[in-house]
Amino acid sequence: AQKVTQAQTEISVVEKEDVTLDCVYETRDTTYYLFWYKQPPSGELVFLIRRNSFDEQNEISGRYSWNFQKSTSSFNFTITASQVVDSAVYFCALSSNNDMRFGAGTRLTVKP
Amino acid sequence: DGGITQSPKYLFRKEGQNVTLSCEQNLNHDAMYWYRQDPGQGLRLIYYSQIVNDFQKGDIAEGYSVSREKKESFPLTVTSAQKNPTAFYLCASSIDRDALGSGNTIYFGEGSWLTVV
Repeated sequence: AQKVTQAQTEISVVEKEDVTLDCVYETRDTTYYLFWYKQPPSGELVFLIRRNSFDEQNEISGRYSWNFQKSTSSFNFTITASQVVDSAVYFCALSSNNDMRFGAGTRLTVKP
Repeated sequence: DGGITQSPKYLFRKEGQNVTLSCEQNLNHDAMYWYRQDPGQGLRLIYYSQIVNDFQKGDIAEGYSVSREKKESFPLTVTSAQKNPTAFYLCASSIDRDALGSGNTIYFGEGSWLTVV
């Protein structure tokens, strides 16, 4: 069975600090896809990134970066120089073999 | 604007009543989904539909029902058989009917809060 673990339930940082959200996944499939979504207080899940299992290159988008390591089955998300607007719940998800699993989410609070 | 619209945003239900949550999308997506979100448990799939007039049960379908009479609409009924219906419900869609395992992105609406009183 597929599984996504986000061990950090809540994280609190002060503005401008860097913060890393951890995501560990389990799957027996060789082809799979990993996602990160952001859920602001409004409730909608906002798509941030998708990676496939054959592309381990790290990706950077502005203050956001993602570190995909198949050796440790991890897909961690780093926010550099955090801002108050980054406060939200962040979900990691795994998709393969007609199934999609979400982690329990990490609530990030960025204080001014 | 293109997107997924859920209504109502907040809904209160008395025990024993059925309620229906609306979900409409104008993205011309083939597949639509309903998820339930409880604190600390992430998202769990209730039902999904890959084409009109067809839908499949997800992990927690008991006590729920859906219909897909039009491509753009996928209403969810929470029946009185659902023992613990208080939760946040999210509707989603994807352009590809096989999105659950194919890696195509699933897009979400803003959700509906259902509370049993």
